[in-house]
Amino acid sequence: GESVGLHLPTLSVQEGDNSIINCAYSNSASDYFIWYKQESGKGPQFIIDIRSNMDKRQGQRVTVLLNKTVKHLSLQIAATQPGDSAVYFCAENRGRGYSTLTFGKGTMLLVSP
Amino acid sequence: DAGITQSPRHKVTETGTPVTLRCHQTENHRYMYWYRQDPGHGLRLIHYSYGVKDTDKGEVSDGYSVSRSKTEDFLLTLESATSSQTSVYFCAISEQGVQNTEAFFGQGTRLTVV
Repeated sequence: GESVGLHLPTLSVQEGDNSIINCAYSNSASDYFIWYKQESGKGPQFIIDIRSNMDKRQGQRVTVLLNKTVKHLSLQIAATQPGDSAVYFCAENRGRGYSTLTFGKGTMLLVSP
Repeated sequence: DAGITQSPRHKVTETGTPVTLRCHQTENHRYMYWYRQDPGHGLRLIHYSYGVKDTDKGEVSDGYSVSRSKTEDFLLTLESATSSQTSVYFCAISEQGVQNTEAFFGQGTRLTVV
């Protein structure tokens, strides 16, 4: 079957580089955001989340930045490794009263050794 | 995969036949979701459940129905499968709903309608 990776914007980096994946969201009422990683043939895997009362959150080798003024989210991966190669999705919860996530279309990250 | 099992993992069916996909969880989470994933569209919500017998529609619910008679099981039914329903289907669960906690996904079911 056709890969989910087709038609996606692609970021190609060298092993050891830092990667930045961007996501724009449209709803100013969105107050909770999640980054997911999806490897080929697998379900999306939670990486890191952030709430709208924060503008930065750090995990292990990953940092998420939130700019509410321009409705922009980014995922920074430090010292990118070949195992980081995957499709990355941002997802947003659109605020009070919403029990669901809305996903972006994804970015494919390709890491070369 | 956070105690989520989807079955079957792969299915090929003919146009016009009914199909039921099952999602089973062992986490006792309140919320369960069905998404479909298609190239160029990302993940789109079909239906979700916020408790036993409590369900609601997502953005692409036409042609699908769901049922949740037990906390651990969430069934997705295609009453009469069409080729446009060829897709990869993902189930997700969330403890308190995605206003408060993240959603965890199953491995997916690849459905082909011929």
